[in-house]
Amino acid sequence: GESVGLHLPTLSVQEGDNSIINCAYSNSASDYFIWYKQESGKGPQFIIDIRSNMDKRQGQRVTVLLNKTVKHLSLQIAATQPGDSAVYFCAEGSNYQLIWGAGTKLIIKP
Amino acid sequence: NAGVTQTPKFQVLKTGQSMTLQCAQDMNHNSMYWYRQDPGMGLRLIYYSASEGTTDKGEVPNGYNVSRLNKREFSLRLESAAPSQTSVYFCASSDIGRGADTQYFGPGTRLTVL
Repeated sequence: GESVGLHLPTLSVQEGDNSIINCAYSNSASDYFIWYKQESGKGPQFIIDIRSNMDKRQGQRVTVLLNKTVKHLSLQIAATQPGDSAVYFCAEGSNYQLIWGAGTKLIIKP
Repeated sequence: NAGVTQTPKFQVLKTGQSMTLQCAQDMNHNSMYWYRQDPGMGLRLIYYSASEGTTDKGEVPNGYNVSRLNKREFSLRLESAAPSQTSVYFCASSDIGRGADTQYFGPGTRLTVL
């Protein structure tokens, strides 16, 4: 079936550096992509989303890039901070449903 | 606004027992969702309700039932709990058509079935 997956299960980044979390998707008909952050013991929290008619969208310290040619999605976090430590999920959306990837754990090194 | 609230926060059941997980949202959202999250995994959709009065199966509906009681409330029922249903359950809501299929999540219910 269609799926969304992540390249790396764990990413370790020095505090202050930029983080890049990658995601591959397989359903070329998906028109909506979203990144969530989940801290330990909490529910997922919306970070940023992007529609398929865009290739880049920026938020506060975060940027999502969408490459439809290779079906690739990435989340860039600028100047990574200790509070960014979490598991990050990408998901693709269509027909009210979000199909979630397995998640990437982001670890911040002091 | 409280956002999305879930009760209970923790629950331990014996195999075969039944229970209902409650969810409520105060954001006037049309759509509501129930997910389960197993350790180290992403979320899997159990059921969703696109609007008041409708419910539909998601990816893993077996062993569960839902009720969209009104626009605010969406409950999930386990009729005969099994150890395989040990998981963290998240409720979410969204307001389709307002620039967000963005789903807002509750804090979760941690369920253990012995």
